[in-house]
Amino acid sequence: QVQLQESGPRLVKPSQTLSLTCTVSGGSIRSGAYYWSWIRQYPGKGLEWIGYIYDSGSTFYNPSLESRLTISIDTSKNQFFLNMTSVTAADTALYYCARGRHDYGDYYYWGRGALVTVSS
Amino acid sequence: IVLVQSPGTLSLSPGERVTISCRASQTVRTSYLAWYQQRPGQPPRLLIYGTTSRATGTPDRFSGGGSGTDFTLTISRLEPEDFATYFCHYYGNSVSFGGGTKVEI
Repeated sequence: QVQLQESGPRLVKPSQTLSLTCTVSGGSIRSGAYYWSWIRQYPGKGLEWIGYIYDSGSTFYNPSLESRLTISIDTSKNQFFLNMTSVTAADTALYYCARGRHDYGDYYYWGRGALVTVSS
Repeated sequence: IVLVQSPGTLSLSPGERVTISCRASQTVRTSYLAWYQQRPGQPPRLLIYGTTSRATGTPDRFSGGGSGTDFTLTISRLEPEDFATYFCHYYGNSVSFGGGTKVEI
């Protein structure tokens, strides 16, 4: 059973960098059949795709966030990472990591989510 | 691609049939249209992928359909555990989610 777990600071100051790690267990992150995503959700609201990465290191970002994003991967540790710079209160959200299936683009496996608050 | 779901909220009773609409701003590939269910405090759960295929564990009262720009999720008879929020999702050159439809009692 594949499991994903988000970790990282839950409180970030404005203008600083939000950094999260997703640790994958129960399966290898090395697979061209899947891609590894970050998705966020504002409380009580909809979902916003942040970006994703393949095990090759190829990345695809939401154009509205791209200038502030870096998603990276460490296949030796079965982890992938999110860095978002220059955060504001508007970046306060529940951040999910998820595994996407390349053939259908769907997300079957999700982490439980990490609530990150941007506040001084 | 923008996905617009309707209605935003549905108030229904157990046993009723429900259809949720997802309209895309341009024609999309049916292979990449999916539906999710989300209960409070939980991550989304994949229900339908490829427009019509049920994911592992999805009860057969859930069905998906559509093509072009118009897609639907139908629940044939609402069970108590189906009261939740539903999202459509498209994976293309970019990734989009619909705004969600809350099905409430």
